[in-house]
Parts: sequence; structure tokens; C-alpha cells
Amino acid sequence: AQSVTQLGSHVSVSEGALVLLRCNYSSSVPPYLFWYVQYPNQGLQLLLKYTSAATLVKGINGFEAEFKKSETSFHLTKPSAHMSDAAEYFCAVHRSNDYKLSFGAGTTVTVRA
Amino acid sequence: DTEVTQTPKHLVMGMTNKKSLKCEQHMGHRAMYWYKQKAKKPPELMFVYSYEKLSINESVPSRFSPECPNSSLLNLHLHALQPEDSALYLCASSQDMIAGVQETQYFGPGTRLLVL
Repeated sequence: AQSVTQLGSHVSVSEGALVLLRCNYSSSVPPYLFWYVQYPNQGLQLLLKYTSAATLVKGINGFEAEFKKSETSFHLTKPSAHMSDAAEYFCAVHRSNDYKLSFGAGTTVTVRA
Repeated sequence: DTEVTQTPKHLVMGMTNKKSLKCEQHMGHRAMYWYKQKAKKPPELMFVYSYEKLSINESVPSRFSPECPNSSLLNLHLHALQPEDSALYLCASSQDMIAGVQETQYFGPGTRLLVL
């Protein structure tokens, strides 16, 4: 079954520094991949999604992710962190066998002033 | 507009109470989902409705009873819950539940439930 693994349960960055969140997927076919963000006490908000149209996907709030088939990765980046980026980030894959969304364990991002 | 609304925002209930959570979307989506999320964990799928019919039940205890009155509304009826059922309950919807971009799920803000 398709699944995703997020490396690092917690990432701490300085304001203005690069944010890099890692996600690797296991899939024998091109997957549909997503990044969601969850701010404290809120629901999940779609940041971006990979749909095979382009390997570099731009999302909201300055985030982007690059699909690398050779590395089975879909890492999320933002060039310059802002205090408002402090949140929980989930990578997810849509499983084609049972149509379910499979989430990674999540990465908590804290931003230091 | 990709808005999914949920009411109430917070709910406190005793173990003998009966309450309901409500979810609404007006995006014309035909698949709707209930998830349960514990603190610092990813959401766990509970139920999926497709075209107003229950399509997936992830072996959820019968004290949780979903209902889809129409294509825009999804309810979750709660009865005789346990303290361990305290969690954030998220509703989501997607255009459909087949493979492809149509399955992009949009989430509501959630209902934070506390069972005493």
C-alpha cells in the first residue's frame, strides 16, 4: 500500500532561514501527493499538491515542493521562514487501491525570532 | 471557494449524553469524510460517504453514527462516548473519491470534543 514517511518530527528554524521538510513516499506508480498545514487549534489547510503536471509545485504562502521520482521524495521548502509558519505540517498520499488519504506522522515547525 | 464549515467549534459532553456534529460544504463535492485527530497525531479516517451513501466505515464503534441527509450535509451522531473519544473531529470533502485530482480533500476547522 502506498504510504509516506516524514523525516524529523520537529524542525526549528530562525526567522528568515530556509525551511525544509522532508517527505518520502512508497509507491510503484506515480502517486498523488499533498502537503497540508495545520495551525494551532485549526483544521488542515491544503498547501500544495502534486498531480504529475510539473515536478516543481508552487503552493500558498511561499511554499513549494519538488517531486523527485529517482529519490521517491516530495520535500517541502520555503526560502525564508516567517513567524506565522509555525505549525504542524503533514505530507499525504492518495492511495489508488482504496482511495484513502494516507498521512505521514507530521512535522512540527517552530520559528525562532 | 473551498470552504467546509463545521459546528459546533467546541463541545463538552458527558458519557450519557447524545450530541451531534455537523459539517456542510457548498462546493458540489460528492464525497465527504469524517476524521478523528488526537493531539500531535495525523488524522485517522472514520467514515466516507460517496454520493450520499456510506462507502467506508473504518471499524468505528457504534457509539459514533454518521448520517448524510443530502449532498451538502454530513452529521456525526454521538452517544455514550468514552473519555478516550475526546479529540478533534475533522470533516473533509472532495469532488469524488476516485483516483485523480478530483480526490483532493478540503478540510473544515474541526470540532474539539471533550468527553467527561
